[in-house]
Order: sequence, then structure tokens, then C-alpha cells
Amino acid sequence: AQKITQTQPGMFVQEKEAVTLDCTYDTSDPSYGLFWYKQPSSGEMIFLIYQGSYDQQNATEGRYSLNFQKARKSANLVISASQLGDSAMYFCAMREAQTGANNLFFGTGTRLTVIP
Amino acid sequence: DTAVSQTPKYLVTQMGNDKSIKCEQNLGHDTMYWYKQDSKKFLKIMFSYNNKELIINETVPNRFSPKSPDKAHLNLHINSLELGDSAVYFCASSRGTSVVGEQFFGPGTRLTVL
Repeated sequence: AQKITQTQPGMFVQEKEAVTLDCTYDTSDPSYGLFWYKQPSSGEMIFLIYQGSYDQQNATEGRYSLNFQKARKSANLVISASQLGDSAMYFCAMREAQTGANNLFFGTGTRLTVIP
Repeated sequence: DTAVSQTPKYLVTQMGNDKSIKCEQNLGHDTMYWYKQDSKKFLKIMFSYNNKELIINETVPNRFSPKSPDKAHLNLHINSLELGDSAVYFCASSRGTSVVGEQFFGPGTRLTVL
């Protein structure tokens, strides 16, 4: 089974509007971390935001916020006031504690296009 | 003052050749990784090194061998390159082995096997 599922291959948003990118995850580990990365066309991977499984509040970083619904195993990324520079691939990822492996499991990504 | 650097950025080579990709981090992290991103943009872990010891090795062909001369470096050597090895390879690093804390990625190496 996929550990991370991103069901939106592509999304469009009008500049200055908000957009939600969906992410669901699958784990039996009570301790895990959820991450979002941005990959612009230049190719680098840019860390955006982190949410821990025991965090009581949703994470926020500037225009990025994470809508964490633990019971539903979802960790959607909300980008407010979209800018043209937000056009990129966005990846949701998870790290589990019990595997000891430390690596990130990635979803298939969502390509966001911001329309002027 | 790049945090995680990789060389080369682009690598074009013939099938059957042997090549290496170098990775260095100056963040003082003790865990480093290699990921492969295929043509569909899917990222998958290949190797992870913690304090110079291999702690995971996913189902990667043994033509791929990671080498870590010290905590700041994790190089990837590939023998007998095949067409299917064409991909973007990312090096990453993180502090410790906890779930907390992001992984910092290098700029990637685009490998093309002809």
C-alpha cells in the first residue's frame, strides 16, 4: 500500500487566491512526521512545512499552513494568496519513527499552476 | 556556503560505463541519503547513512554502491550503467534519526544513459 497518496496530479489557482493540495497517509506508527516540499522547474527540493504526529496545533509557515486531520490521516497543504512563483510541483512526504530508517516516503506530487 | 552540494549537475554517459556522483554537506548533519527521481517525478529512497554506517538499503541493484569517506560526504558509485538508470539523483542530509526535522536536499544530478 502507498504510504503517501496525492490524488491531484495537477491544480490551477488564480493569483492571490488560496489553494489546498491534498495528501493522505498510511501508517501504524504512532510517531511520525509529515513534510511538504516544493520543486520548481529548476529542479531543487525546497522544504516548506513540517507537522509532527503529536503536535496539537496545525503547523504554519508564512503563507503555508498544514491542515492536519489525524483521524482521517490527512495532511493537506494550504497556500494562501497564491503568487506566480508558487507554480511548481509539490510533494507530501512522511517519516516514521519505528522503522529507524529515517528516510522520507514521498507521494507522487501535485503540479500547481498559478494563473495571472 | 551551499548546505548540500552535488557534482556533477549533469552527467551524460554510455551504457555499460561506470560513474560516480559526489555529495557533500556542511551542516554538521550525521545522516545522509540518496534518492532517485524517475521520469514521472516519483522520488524514492535508495540509501541512508548514519554516522558512516548504512542503515537502510532499499531494493537497489548492487551495481549501485554508496561510499561515505566521512560524515560530511556520501558518494554514489554506479557500475555498468543501464538505460533505466537515467533519472535525477538527489543527495540529502538531516540531523539525527528522529522524525523531527527536515531533510535538506542537494540540487540534484541529472543522469542520462545513452
